Amino acid sequence: KNQVEQSPQSLIILEGKNCTLQCNYTVSPFSNLRWYKQDTGRGPVSLTIMTFSENTKSNGRYTATLDADTKQSSLHITASQLSDSASYICVVNKGGSYIPTFGRGTSLIVHP
Amino acid sequence: DTAVSQTPKYLVTQMGNDKSIKCEQNLGHDTMYWYKQDSKKFLKIMFSYNNKELIINETVPNRFSPKSPDKAHLNLHINSLELGDSAVYFCASSQGTGGMNEQFFGPGTRLTVL
Repeated sequence: KNQVEQSPQSLIILEGKNCTLQCNYTVSPFSNLRWYKQDTGRGPVSLTIMTFSENTKSNGRYTATLDADTKQSSLHITASQLSDSASYICVVNKGGSYIPTFGRGTSLIVHP
Repeated sequence: DTAVSQTPKYLVTQMGNDKSIKCEQNLGHDTMYWYKQDSKKFLKIMFSYNNKELIINETVPNRFSPKSPDKAHLNLHINSLELGDSAVYFCASSQGTGGMNEQFFGPGTRLTVL
């Protein structure tokens, strides 16, 4: 069964600290993986997309990694800010399919 | 300028009623989607239209009927509302189908069925 598992489910960190969120998937054949940020009360916004040949991609303080062999991705947030408090959702797209597979998200809270 | 807009933002109604949620995008995209996000924040795709044609229908009860009058609009009508329909419904759009195309989400409609 095609699945996307995210960990941790929730995370609390202090402002200025770094953190790493994990995404493991079994979706096959793999097409691409996208990380979304969802602020409370708003729709998800794409942070980055990773294809099979990409290992690392950065978007400001956000850096995503992909290991297609082990089917794992991570999202690293550097020097966290209060505005990083949100849910981070990993979405994997299967080759030849229109239907994305969503993870349940990691809820991140950044405290001052 | 709002890229993907939904109305209403909040909807509170009684069980058994029929209600509609409207979605409009001004991005010029040809593909639109409806998602349901449950109380545990899990997003699940319901429908997708490409150029007004239905391309995804994910085992949604037939009480839910999407309608796409043109490429910029995708409305969701729900008949005989049930308690389990309470959720946040998100509309999204993309240029083209497939996962390489970034989806842009609306602000969501919080539906509460009493």
